Amino acid sequence: ELKVEQNPLFLSMQEGKNYTIYCNYSTTSDRLYWYRQDPGKSLESLFVLLSNGAVKQEGRLMASLDTKARLSTLHITAAVHDLSATYFCAVDRTDKLIFGTGTRLQVFP
Amino acid sequence: DVKVTQSSRYLVKRTGEKVFLECVQDMDHENMFWYRQDPGLGLRLIYFSYDVKMKEKGDIPEGYSVSREKKERFSLILESASTNQTSMYLCASSYASPTYEQYFGPGTRLTVT
Repeated sequence: ELKVEQNPLFLSMQEGKNYTIYCNYSTTSDRLYWYRQDPGKSLESLFVLLSNGAVKQEGRLMASLDTKARLSTLHITAAVHDLSATYFCAVDRTDKLIFGTGTRLQVFP
Repeated sequence: DVKVTQSSRYLVKRTGEKVFLECVQDMDHENMFWYRQDPGLGLRLIYFSYDVKMKEKGDIPEGYSVSREKKERFSLILESASTNQTSMYLCASSYASPTYEQYFGPGTRLTVT
């Protein structure tokens, strides 16, 4: 059974600091997705990583995928308050997605 | 832009009522999904569909059914609503290939009293 684990589950960080969210999964997959969810809202697609070594960047967020280690990271550079949200990773299982538990990020001044 | 819409943002129903949640997508996606999201439990897949008139059970199908009569529309039905079905319901759709990136609707917050 494919399991997807994220850590940390909760992250409180100061504006301007850097941090990384980790997403580990238990069985082979070449594709991984990152989503963002604001409180009370739905999920918004951030990144689609389709192969080993894939790296995508958008603003202060950078995502990478290491399929051999079964690990994806979401790196936050110089955090700002607008990045406060819950971040989910998800892995392909056939043509469904298995979601991680989410990382709730809170950025404070 | 991909657009996935859900019939209601907020819904309040009474125990025992039959509840219909509708989802429509405009991207000609083959796959459609229904999830529920509860605090501390993440997203849980209720049902999904690969094609018109096809449906597959997800991880928590009990108490729910679905209907897909047209490619763009996927309905979730609560046959007899119960208080433990109070939740946020999210619909999503995706292509069958080359990636399975899912696009989500705005969600329906259902309260069963």
